[in-house]
Amino acid sequence: QVQLQESGPGLVKPSQTLSLTCTVSGGSISSGPYCWSWVRQPAGKGLEWIGRINNSGGTNFNPSLKNRVTISVDTSKNQFSLNLSSVTAADTAMYYCAREELRDYYYMDVWGTGTTVTVSS
Amino acid sequence: AIQLTQSPSSLSASVGDRVTITCRASQAISSALAWYQQSPGKAPKLLIFDASILERGVPSRFSGSGSGTDFTLTISSLRPEDSATYYCQHFNTYPHSHTFGQGTKLEIK
Repeated sequence: QVQLQESGPGLVKPSQTLSLTCTVSGGSISSGPYCWSWVRQPAGKGLEWIGRINNSGGTNFNPSLKNRVTISVDTSKNQFSLNLSSVTAADTAMYYCAREELRDYYYMDVWGTGTTVTVSS
Repeated sequence: AIQLTQSPSSLSASVGDRVTITCRASQAISSALAWYQQSPGKAPKLLIFDASILERGVPSRFSGSGSGTDFTLTISSLRPEDSATYYCQHFNTYPHSHTFGQGTKLEIK
């Protein structure tokens, strides 16, 4: 049973870079028809997809965030990571990592429990 | 970019009721649509994929239908634990990206 767990600072100062890591357990991050995504949710609001990385290191990003986002994978640690630069209060949210499995299309079938990030000085 | 519009934004229903939530895409998306359930304080959970296929382990009272631009999620007989927010989601194949609807909050009376 694959499980995902987010980790990282809960408080980030404005203009700095938000860095989160998702640790995958119960399976290899580099095997299978999977991609790995980040999704965020401001308190009381809806879900926003941030970006994804595939097993080959290829990435795709939400156009509204692409200039500030990098996603990387560390197969030796079975982790993937999110960096979001130049953060503002608008980036305060619950951040989830998720596994995408290829069915006819990619869907997020396993999710982490989420980690809250607050942007404040 | 494709947009997904869910209706209603919220609804209230009783245990045993049949409930339908609609998701409309701004252009045809074939069957590349999923439904997720997010209970309060929890991560989203995949319910339906490819518009109508029930994810393993999901109760059969949940069903999905539609293709093209109009999709529905139906809960045939509401249970108290179905109180949650439901999201539709589309996977775009070029470029690869995901879009979520704005969510429908379901309250059990």
